[in-house]
Amino acid sequence: KAGVTQTPRYLIKTRGQQVTLSCSPISGHRSVSWYQQTPGQGLQFLFEYFSETQRNKGNFPGRFSGRQFSNSRSEMNVSTLELGDSALYLCASSNTGGEYGYTFGSGTRLTVV
Amino acid sequence: AQSVTQLGSHVSVSEGALVLLRCNYSSSVPPYLFWYVQYPNQGLQLLLKYTSAATLVKGINGFEAEFKKSETSFHLTKPSAHMSDAAEYFCAVSGVLTGGGNKLTFGTGTQLKVEL
Repeated sequence: KAGVTQTPRYLIKTRGQQVTLSCSPISGHRSVSWYQQTPGQGLQFLFEYFSETQRNKGNFPGRFSGRQFSNSRSEMNVSTLELGDSALYLCASSNTGGEYGYTFGSGTRLTVV
Repeated sequence: AQSVTQLGSHVSVSEGALVLLRCNYSSSVPPYLFWYVQYPNQGLQLLLKYTSAATLVKGINGFEAEFKKSETSFHLTKPSAHMSDAAEYFCAVSGVLTGGGNKLTFGTGTQLKVEL
């Protein structure tokens, strides 16, 4: 079956702009999580959605937001981009609450200039 | 709070040699532990997971890990390294959150280099 699909793979944005990233989970998976990966901070949890509800949010400013649709697809949005938002953004899905692990997508590489 | 510590940010082995990547965890409840591998410009691929069944867990590509509660460790091993094993490896622990659901807390990663 198809894996977790993230689009686009690469993005270049200008400081101050906003960006929307998309994630399609594995069919049947209802839990979607987002992580940010940077060389300095490593892998950090952004938020998790389950059945269209945000269940948990990591320690990120309000400029980072997300949503999940009825088909479990998820989007995350970053407004007023800063240079420090440059990162690999990874989406992961699970068919349970996640305690047995997540399947990750290939990520979206965001560069803010 | 749960956490994992990976000892050694860079490990270098010769092709055919034993691979040992170290991970220690901290958790107040029985943890779920994972090893993921990341190749350049790729996402994370699950190698193996411990979910309180057998303490010796076998994963893909010949990797295995042993859960040792007394040592709070979950080290990753492979008997014979191959050039294709060169990648970054992440240990992670899964923790239940107050809102329900889980999140993965990752270690800082170990870059494995395999030399001829």
